Amino acid sequence: ETGVTQSPTHLIKTRGQQVTLRCSSQSGHNTVSWYQQALGQGPQFIFQYYREEENGRGNFPPRFSGLQFPNYSSELNVNALELDDSALYLCASSVGSDRGGGQETQYFGPGTRLLVL
Amino acid sequence: SQQGEEDPQALSIQEGENATMNCSYKTSINNLQWYRQNSGRGLVHLILIRSNEREKHSGRLRVTLDTSKKSSSLLITASRAADTASYFCAPVSGGDQKVTFGTGTKLQVIP
Repeated sequence: ETGVTQSPTHLIKTRGQQVTLRCSSQSGHNTVSWYQQALGQGPQFIFQYYREEENGRGNFPPRFSGLQFPNYSSELNVNALELDDSALYLCASSVGSDRGGGQETQYFGPGTRLLVL
Repeated sequence: SQQGEEDPQALSIQEGENATMNCSYKTSINNLQWYRQNSGRGLVHLILIRSNEREKHSGRLRVTLDTSKKSSSLLITASRAADTASYFCAPVSGGDQKVTFGTGTKLQVIP
């Protein structure tokens, strides 16, 4: 157990709807990263939040957006859902630093499986 | 940032045998991380090895790093059925703001 929790565990939506996924980071961690993992693929980086600010973004359209709260928990919002958004969504928390130096160990939650019909 | 390329893509061994997975990357790194993922679950961190380290052990896991060849290997000794999972490497360069994953090595350990 990493101490990172995600909700909900499973979700079914229809095309065009909007969805919000939630992640509680491990105690003491100030950075949350979100990943999308399609079946049979590796996790693809969506974006990262460090101290409530977006701190890097992958190749995902603007309909993927996020938030990080003062307690460092985070939300991933996806608007105008498409069939290809069906995937496992993973969040990972870590300890970030203003000094940079690259990312340290990521602690992953169990994921939210989203199915878009 | 860069992603590692794991090799082989799939590996099937008998319980008790050793399993070796390799990872290659392209540019200099700050550290390299290995993760395991059981089917449909979150990733679990296994080992982080820094660029100035050559070898690291954790239980039945042994990770080596050769920065001159830009490669790393993960050895699992005396494999068990519970080791069946996908294994990912993640090379991290200094200043990277994200950890990037490739497609992984799918390991099957047959009881």
